Amino acid sequence: GDSVTQMEGPVTLSEEAFLTINCTYTATGYPSLFWYVQYPGEGLQLLLKATKADDKGSNKGFEATYRKETTSFHLEKGSVQVSDSAVYFCALRHTNTGNQFYFGTGTSLTVIP
Amino acid sequence: EAQVTQNPRYLITVTGKKLTVTCSQNMNHEYMSWYRQDPGLGLRQIYYSMNVEVTDKGDVPEGYKVSRKEKRNFPLILESPSPNQTSLYFCASSSSGITYEQYFGPGTRLTVT
Repeated sequence: GDSVTQMEGPVTLSEEAFLTINCTYTATGYPSLFWYVQYPGEGLQLLLKATKADDKGSNKGFEATYRKETTSFHLEKGSVQVSDSAVYFCALRHTNTGNQFYFGTGTSLTVIP
Repeated sequence: EAQVTQNPRYLITVTGKKLTVTCSQNMNHEYMSWYRQDPGLGLRQIYYSMNVEVTDKGDVPEGYKVSRKEKRNFPLILESPSPNQTSLYFCASSSSGITYEQYFGPGTRLTVT
């Protein structure tokens, strides 16, 4: 069945470092792909999304490109800030599974000054 | 303001005492869902609903009930709570169609003693 695999955390980076959080998926056809962010004590909120192959989603300096050939949707940011400390979830949504959402297990990021 | 609301935000209860966590959305979304979040396990879906009077089990439905009598409301019912249902619960809603993201509520932290 459909699934999402994220890199294990936690990840600790210094401020201004480059961030990559890997996400790969298993699904037939063309699901939509999402990155959500959860700040401490809050619910999840959409960070960015891509709905077809080769689309690039971007928001707040974060980017992710929908790579059909590698079934990946890696999250990147060129220069992280302390305020980016949060848990990041990769997710997919697919018609083949009744428009259901599938989430990865989340990757915790801590950025230190 | 478009939002998903949950009540209560925090609840401490005892084993076996029936409780209901309410969820309401003001975006006219067809799709609604309940998740629980536990350390190291990510988000796990409990139940979801594609529209009024249409509900289905997610990955961890045991011990929970839901109903969808109105489009905006999707309450989660624990008829006989047990300590293993101590968790952080999130309600979410979305338009139908795979390109649409989910909007999450702020979460309900439940402790069952």
